[in-house]
Amino acid sequence: NAGVTQTPKFQVLKTGQSMTLQCAQDMNHNSMYWYRQDPGMGLRLIYYSASEGTTDKGEVPNGYNVSRLNKREFSLRLESAAPSQTSVYFCASQKDRTGNTIYFGEGSWLTVV
Amino acid sequence: SQQGEEDPQALSIQEGENATMNCSYKTSINNLQWYRQNSGRGLVHLILIRSNEREKHSGRLRVTLDTSKKSSSLLITASRAADTASYFCASGPYSGGGADGLTFGKGTHLIIQP
Repeated sequence: NAGVTQTPKFQVLKTGQSMTLQCAQDMNHNSMYWYRQDPGMGLRLIYYSASEGTTDKGEVPNGYNVSRLNKREFSLRLESAAPSQTSVYFCASQKDRTGNTIYFGEGSWLTVV
Repeated sequence: SQQGEEDPQALSIQEGENATMNCSYKTSINNLQWYRQNSGRGLVHLILIRSNEREKHSGRLRVTLDTSKKSSSLLITASRAADTASYFCASGPYSGGGADGLTFGKGTHLIIQP
């Protein structure tokens, strides 16, 4: 059971380039989330998808877009990368929004130069 | 603003000792969760305590919750080198329980010295 899988693990981008972080879960979860983690700060929610077909903004959505492609997959896109988006990105999933355990992917290290 | 704030920011103890980490939060919560993050890895759920519970155990972990003081503590007994990690509390103000309602603290970095 793979759980939550996100790719790529590492990426270096030049300012202005675009890229998509992929995330897939095999637990048949309804809710999926994208967070970023910066040094000295807790995780901050970028976007989430409470269920297939819906997406909503989190705490720090500016500069990002998301797509809930199907129940399994939830991608995060940076249209024009900026150095401020250098961070570690985590995808997570949850069975539903009733307080169940949240499962995290292993993280994607993104550097924008 | 940050809901959960862990204390201390870093903790170094000898293997076999107990480790205690604290978390404070600001608003009323439905539940509080603790997560562990090993270096370079994702967060792993450890334990969830609901607002109507005062103490919860899971193996060598003991979590307490004091809603009057808006604080929680995580105790790891008989620490092992493998417990070296960062520990985060996440508090949820919403009755729905979705992760979008959780606010994560900045974490306590625990180092277990052999």
